[in-house]
This record gives sequence, C-alpha cells and structure tokens, in this order.
Amino acid sequence: DIQMTQSPPSLSASLGDKVTITCQASQNINKYIAWYQQKPGKAPRLLIRYTSTLESGTPSRFSGSGSGRDYSFSISNVESEDIASYYCLQYVNLPRTFGGGTKLELK
Amino acid sequence: QIQLVQSGPELKKPGESVKISCKASGYTFTDYAMHWVKQAPGKGLKWMGWINTYTGKPTYADDFKGRFVFSLEASASTANLQISNLKNEDTATYFCARDGYSGDGYYFDYWGQGVMVTVSS
Repeated sequence: DIQMTQSPPSLSASLGDKVTITCQASQNINKYIAWYQQKPGKAPRLLIRYTSTLESGTPSRFSGSGSGRDYSFSISNVESEDIASYYCLQYVNLPRTFGGGTKLELK
Repeated sequence: QIQLVQSGPELKKPGESVKISCKASGYTFTDYAMHWVKQAPGKGLKWMGWINTYTGKPTYADDFKGRFVFSLEASASTANLQISNLKNEDTATYFCARDGYSGDGYYFDYWGQGVMVTVSS
C-alpha cells in the first residue's frame, strides 16, 4: 500500500497569507494526486486533481505542484472561507490512500 | 446536476446491524464506480473499498473485510453499505464517493453528504 505523509497536521494563518501543505508518497505516484477541502460536518470537496488541475469552481488562489513522490498544495491570499481541513489522496492504484489531513486555522 | 444523497443518521447498539444508502442522480449510475470512505470523529479519511456499479462486484480494503457489505439497487441508482455486528469503533461518518474520470485517472469527484452512525449501549 502507498502511504501518504501529509504535513503539517495543523497550520495557523492570517488573512492574506500564503500557506503550503505537502504530501510525500511512499513511492512514485506519477502525479496522480488530488486535494480536497473539508469543512466541519460537510463532505470533502475536490479542489485539484492530477497534481495541478483545478476543478471547475476552484478559486485561482489554490494551486498544486509536484512530481514523483513529493507534492505540495498552496493557498495564496488566504480568505476566511478557506478555514477548513485539507486532505491529499493518491489515486495511482488501489487501495486509495489519503494523507492524514491538515487543519487550517486563523491566527 | 449530479448528486449523491445518503440516508439519515443512525443510532445502534453493539452487535446490531445497519444499512446505509447512497442514491445517485444526474448521471448514468452504471457508468461510474462507487467508493465508500469512513471518517471517525475528529479523524481523517479512510478508504473502505468500492463497488463496480455495472457488474455489482465489490472490493474491500483489508480493514473492512468480513462485517462490511457493499451492494446495489441498480434500478434505483442506489449503492448500499451494510455493517453487521456493530462495534463501538464503527462509530463514524460514512461517505459514498463517485469515481470520476477525465483522462488522467480515476478520482473521487462527487461525494454524498455523509451518514453519521453512532454505536452505543
């Protein structure tokens, strides 16, 4: 199974900051990584797939990059509506595996 | 528009069974696989497995073999998750998620709203 190590587990940011979350896979996942946002009591929402492709409706302040085993997800100019938890998901093969999550809070 | 609508919250005792449904609309149900994801309170997301909505064949993650059953009511565009012999550690929110595809792999594109299952004596 592919392990996804996501960091940091929590992040404190001010409005307008840029924040970055990383996920490291235990093996090459060939860019098959997606990023999800989850607000309390809600289902995850797909923001980015295939490392850097923004889903329809995802604001341009969100971005993703990476290759091989190492991937990152960034939010530039954090807004209040971005306060949530974020998860990476590898989908190169089964079992699908998620990172442990990052909780973004306001400073 | 595409929607996955799940059944309501459940309160069960240890040893009982529960069946959760996930009704799809806005697309051809049998064209996309359905996955199930568990989220324990305050914890992260864990993949449980998936069901081929065309053949009905289920595949379970190792931690979900034995007491967990994925099934379909294809005529009703509905996927079901049944958990038997419930344990306290089954207390969680269970999500169904559609396996979308856009030329660069399969990934969870649409999710149900989740079903909270509470197991307590």
